[in-house]
Amino acid sequence: DAGITQSPRHKVTETGTPVTLRCHQTENHRYMYWYRQDPGHGLRLIHYSYGVKDTDKGEVSDGYSVSRSKTEDFLLTLESATSSQTSVYFCAISGTSGSSYEQYFGPGTRLTVT
Amino acid sequence: QKEVEQNSGPLSVPEGAIASLNCTYSDRGSQSFFWYRQYSGKSPELIMFIYSNGDKEDGRFTAQLNKASQYVSLLIRDSQPSDSATYLCAVTGSARQLTFGSGTQLTVLP
Repeated sequence: DAGITQSPRHKVTETGTPVTLRCHQTENHRYMYWYRQDPGHGLRLIHYSYGVKDTDKGEVSDGYSVSRSKTEDFLLTLESATSSQTSVYFCAISGTSGSSYEQYFGPGTRLTVT
Repeated sequence: QKEVEQNSGPLSVPEGAIASLNCTYSDRGSQSFFWYRQYSGKSPELIMFIYSNGDKEDGRFTAQLNKASQYVSLLIRDSQPSDSATYLCAVTGSARQLTFGSGTQLTVLP
């Protein structure tokens, strides 16, 4: 258990509404990531963070924003949810020691946009 | 565009056999290579990582890396029904970002 929690675990929302997903870690990892997983596309990186207030875009960042005001929390916001953002969202962490590149995943959030 | 390719399967092997999962990648600058196991409805679980050419063994799992051929594989010896899952290959470049393959679904038949 890498000490990662995600909330909510399940959410149903309507098109056009804003949605915020939270990732919380307890082990002071420097790097945090948000992925989405869809059938036929595998896991794709949305945004990542390499420190407090330091974030960058991934492969599929359009329509998403992130914030990291504390080491332990990484928030993903869908500014105006669309049906194409229905997916399973995973948070991951990395960087426990030295040059470690291994990433460990949270339990995921299943988001449905109707 | 960095690409990671895996045979999507499904791959079926009998219990006790060796399962062989393969992955190729396009970015010659890739430094680190990972295998994740994902059960249906669950999150990916890291089972192996390898950074250097050659073989790395951990219990029933062996990861093999050949950077010249841009090829990484995972062997599962004495396969068990509990090994039935989707196996994801992932590769990093220089920015700690992982690129994943689409996964290979493995079924171990009792």
